[in-house]
Amino acid sequence: AQKITQTQPGMFVQEKEAVTLDCTYDTSDPSYGLFWYKQPSSGEMIFLIYQGSYDQQNATEGRYSLNFQKARKSANLVISASQLGDSAMYFCAMREESNFGNEKLTFGTGTRLTIIP
Amino acid sequence: DVKVTQSSRYLVKRTGEKVFLECVQDMDHENMFWYRQDPGLGLRLIYFSYDVKMKEKGDIPEGYSVSREKKERFSLILESASTNQTSMYLCASSFTAKNYNEQFFGPGTRLTVL
Repeated sequence: AQKITQTQPGMFVQEKEAVTLDCTYDTSDPSYGLFWYKQPSSGEMIFLIYQGSYDQQNATEGRYSLNFQKARKSANLVISASQLGDSAMYFCAMREESNFGNEKLTFGTGTRLTIIP
Repeated sequence: DVKVTQSSRYLVKRTGEKVFLECVQDMDHENMFWYRQDPGLGLRLIYFSYDVKMKEKGDIPEGYSVSREKKERFSLILESASTNQTSMYLCASSFTAKNYNEQFFGPGTRLTVL
């Protein structure tokens, strides 16, 4: 079973509108973390935002916010006032422990976001 | 400025060749990771290392090996390259910090095996 699910392979959004990228996860570990990364066409992975499972408030970083709903196991990324430069692949990832107790990230399949002028 | 570098952006090899992909980080990170990225599959973890000479298999280790002789350098080795190993390979590194261990990524190596 997939541990990180991103159900939107692609999205088209009008410039200046807000956009929500969906991410659901599956874990039985009470301590975990969720990350969002952006990958522009140039290929580099850019860290956007992090949410810890014990964090009381939803994470925010500038125009990015994370809508964390623990009971639903969802961690959706919200981008306010989208810009043309937001066009990219977006990956959700979950920090988990390996079989030997080391930490690693598991990534979703990504959502390709295209901002339309 | 944080830096993870990879030896090549583009690489073309022939089936059966031994291939080395090199990754170097200058942040004194304990952890280093190798992923491959394929359309529709996202990033999949091949191997990672949490200390010098220490390694752990990821989700898709078959056909790959790794080497970490120095803290700053992590090599991915394809012992006998095959066409199904044509992919984008991404290296990353992070501190061993519980709760928040953001991974920093290199620019990637696009490998084509003919």
